Amino acid sequence: GEDVEQSLFLSVREGDSSVINCTYTDSSSTYLYWYKQEPGAGLQLLTYIFSNMDMKQDQRLTVLLNKKDKHLSLRIADTQTGDSAIYFCAEKATGFQKLVFGTGTRLLVSP
Amino acid sequence: ETGVTQTPRHLVMGMTNKKSLKCEQHLGHNAMYWYKQSAKKPLELMFVYNFKEQTENNSVPSRFSPECPNSSHLFLHLHTLQPEDSALYLCASSLRLGDNTGELFFGEGSRLTVL
Repeated sequence: GEDVEQSLFLSVREGDSSVINCTYTDSSSTYLYWYKQEPGAGLQLLTYIFSNMDMKQDQRLTVLLNKKDKHLSLRIADTQTGDSAIYFCAEKATGFQKLVFGTGTRLLVSP
Repeated sequence: ETGVTQTPRHLVMGMTNKKSLKCEQHLGHNAMYWYKQSAKKPLELMFVYNFKEQTENNSVPSRFSPECPNSSHLFLHLHTLQPEDSALYLCASSLRLGDNTGELFFGEGSRLTVL
């Protein structure tokens, strides 16, 4: 079955880069997503990548996909205290209706 | 403000109580979802509705009973819950079921504590 794994916690200093990693098991996954959950809020879509892409960049965010290793990462450049949140990785296979989410990685950014 | 509103934000109930969670979306979406968020566990899909019809029940115990009277409203009726059901319950909606952009719009959640 589908499974998405993430580490639970990451701590960085303000101004550093953050890299949040995710692995997934479903080889038919065709879309992979990063969602952000700020304290006291629901999840919000940050970005997504189609499986025929290796990389996607959007301002401070860079998504890297290694389809061979089924590994997805989210890099946040110049991390700010406002980036402190839980980041969820999710995957979906074409033709399937549901997203499969990981546990989320809690990012703590210290001044 | 995501356009998805959940009430109540916090709920404490005993194991013999009956309560309901409510979700309303003002986005004109056709699919609505209930998710359960527990610490250190993957976000867990519970139910999916598409045009008011339930399309998925992810082996959820019968003490959780969903209701979708129209495409804008979704309820989760709770009865004889267990302490391990304490969690954050998130409602979400999407324009279409299986939309490949994966964009789900989430409410802020209802924090449930079962004593």
